[in-house]
Amino acid sequence: TQLLEQSPQFLSIQEGENLTVYCNSSSVFSSLQWYRQEPGEGPVLLVTVVTGGEVKKLKRLTFQFGDARKDSSLHITAAQPGDTGLYLCAGAGSGAGSYQLTFGKGTKLSVIP
Amino acid sequence: GAGVSQTPSNKVTEKGKYVELRCDPISGHTALYWYRQSLGQGPEFLIYFQGTGAADDSGLPNDRFFAVRPEGSVSTLKIQRTERGDSAVYLCASSLIGIPNTEAFFGQGTRLTVV
Repeated sequence: TQLLEQSPQFLSIQEGENLTVYCNSSSVFSSLQWYRQEPGEGPVLLVTVVTGGEVKKLKRLTFQFGDARKDSSLHITAAQPGDTGLYLCAGAGSGAGSYQLTFGKGTKLSVIP
Repeated sequence: GAGVSQTPSNKVTEKGKYVELRCDPISGHTALYWYRQSLGQGPEFLIYFQGTGAADDSGLPNDRFFAVRPEGSVSTLKIQRTERGDSAVYLCASSLIGIPNTEAFFGQGTRLTVV
């Protein structure tokens, strides 16, 4: 069974601060996705990383996939109140299981104005 | 509609009753997924459809759970003899082809409460 551990589970910071969220596993994933989920809504895809060591930037968000494709991080620069939400990482298996996503428990981020 | 639509948004049922949860995927999406999200947890895979057939139902917790997609579009998740432990948000997602090659779009979910 593939497991994804996210840390921290909760994070409350002031507007303008930087933060990093981690997603770790002992399993190798063919790709890893980051989602953001608002209360009462489904997760919305932010990014997919596929290659070990890959770095992707989305405005103030920087995503990195570990060299061994077992871990990933999400770094937010100068956090804004609009960044508040639940951030989920999800790993896709390989071969026949590549469509099945394994989600972490999520990091609940609160950005205080 | 433009996105994945799930109905009802909320469902409260008594223990032992039967419920049906409906998912309308994005038009033209061949792949459809059901996930279950319990409080404080990430979504957990239940079943994956490619077209009309269930390509993988290994995530269904037991034989009280069943899902269909008879015409390759709308899907219904059926739960028999509901238990309090079934209470969760049931999420449906669809994608043009299978993940991870294309983005999966999630609906807003159906919050099921078994009392």
